[in-house]
Amino acid sequence: GENVEQHPSTLSVQEGDSAVIKCTYSDSASNYFPWYKQELGKRPQLIIDIRSNVGEKKDQRIAVTLNKTAKHFSLHITETQPEDSAVYFCARSNDYKLSFGAGTTVTVRA
Amino acid sequence: EADIYQTPRYLVIGTGKKITLECSQTMGHDKMYWYQQDPGMELHLIHYSYGVNSTEKGDLSSESTVSRIRTEHFPLTLESARPSHTSQYLCASSAVREAFFGQGTRLTVV
Repeated sequence: GENVEQHPSTLSVQEGDSAVIKCTYSDSASNYFPWYKQELGKRPQLIIDIRSNVGEKKDQRIAVTLNKTAKHFSLHITETQPEDSAVYFCARSNDYKLSFGAGTTVTVRA
Repeated sequence: EADIYQTPRYLVIGTGKKITLECSQTMGHDKMYWYQQDPGMELHLIHYSYGVNSTEKGDLSSESTVSRIRTEHFPLTLESARPSHTSQYLCASSAVREAFFGQGTRLTVV
């Protein structure tokens, strides 16, 4: 199937520390791996994405890594700030179907 | 302004009623999706479409049906609403990469 497993379900970090969220997928046809951030009461919004022909991508304080052989991908947030507190979702797509992980609630402690 | 619109935003309806949740996008996207999400919880894919006259069931079994007669319109219908259908329904659309989400419809069946 096209399930996406996401861990951990909750993550509490001290402001300034790093946060890492990991996802695994099963569908070998997956070729696109986006990450979405959803703040309370708002719609999910894309924060970073990576295609299957790339191993790593960075955008300021956030980075994503992909290991297509092991079917793992991860989100790294460095120098966390209070505004990083939200629910983060990983997802995978095979050009047609976009399926999400269960989400990680990140809390940044001041 | 190019966006994705969902109506109604909130709906309270009695058991057994037929309802249609509307979703329209003005971005010319081929792909559209319906997700069911309880607050802060997992985004469950219930239906998707990759173009006009194509509809597919998602990862979560749903009693709802969808249609895609026009590119911009992807309505979801429940023939007979039940209390177990109470949830938030999010519509999304995408071209090649980023999926854009609507504001959601919060459905309560009493």
